[in-house]
Amino acid sequence: KNQVEQSPQSLIILEGKNCTLQCNYTVSPFSNLRWYKQDTGRGPVSLTIMTFSENTKSNGRYTATLDADTKQSSLHITASQLSDSASYICVVSPDYQLIWGAGTKLIIKP
Amino acid sequence: EAQVTQNPRYLITVTGKKLTVTCSQNMNHEYMSWYRQDPGLGLRQIYYSMNVEVTDKGDVPEGYKVSRKEKRNFPLILESPSPNQTSLYFCASSLQTEVGANVLTFGAGSRLTVL
Repeated sequence: KNQVEQSPQSLIILEGKNCTLQCNYTVSPFSNLRWYKQDTGRGPVSLTIMTFSENTKSNGRYTATLDADTKQSSLHITASQLSDSASYICVVSPDYQLIWGAGTKLIIKP
Repeated sequence: EAQVTQNPRYLITVTGKKLTVTCSQNMNHEYMSWYRQDPGLGLRQIYYSMNVEVTDKGDVPEGYKVSRKEKRNFPLILESPSPNQTSLYFCASSLQTEVGANVLTFGAGSRLTVL
């Protein structure tokens, strides 16, 4: 069964600190993996999208990595800001579908 | 501004009272889709549309209807809402119809409560 699991479920860190969010998937075949950011009460917004051949991709302070062999991805946030408080959702595509993870809720405290 | 617009943003209704959630995009996107989001679960697709007059069921279509008479509009219809349809609903669109490659643009969400 195609599944995407994210950890931790929630995370609280202090402003300015770095953090890493994890995504493990059992999806086959694999087309691409993307990370979305969802602010409370808003729709998700795409951060990065990676294909099989890409193992890292950056978008400002956000860096996503992909290990297609172990079927793991991570999203690293550098020098966190209060505006980074949101849910981060990992989505894996096996060609004709989008399999959504439940998300990690990140809270940045001043 | 390029966007997906949903209405209403918030709605409280009673069991059995038909309602429609509208969705409109101004980006000339081919692909449109409805999702529901419930606590602790990933987004689940309700229905999607590859083009005008072409709609298909997603993962959780029961209790919902859609139509795509015009390219820009994709309303979600609940003919007889039930409490288990209380959820946060998102409409999304994409220029590409190839689902695996597309990047979705989401609306702001519609929070529906069925009593």
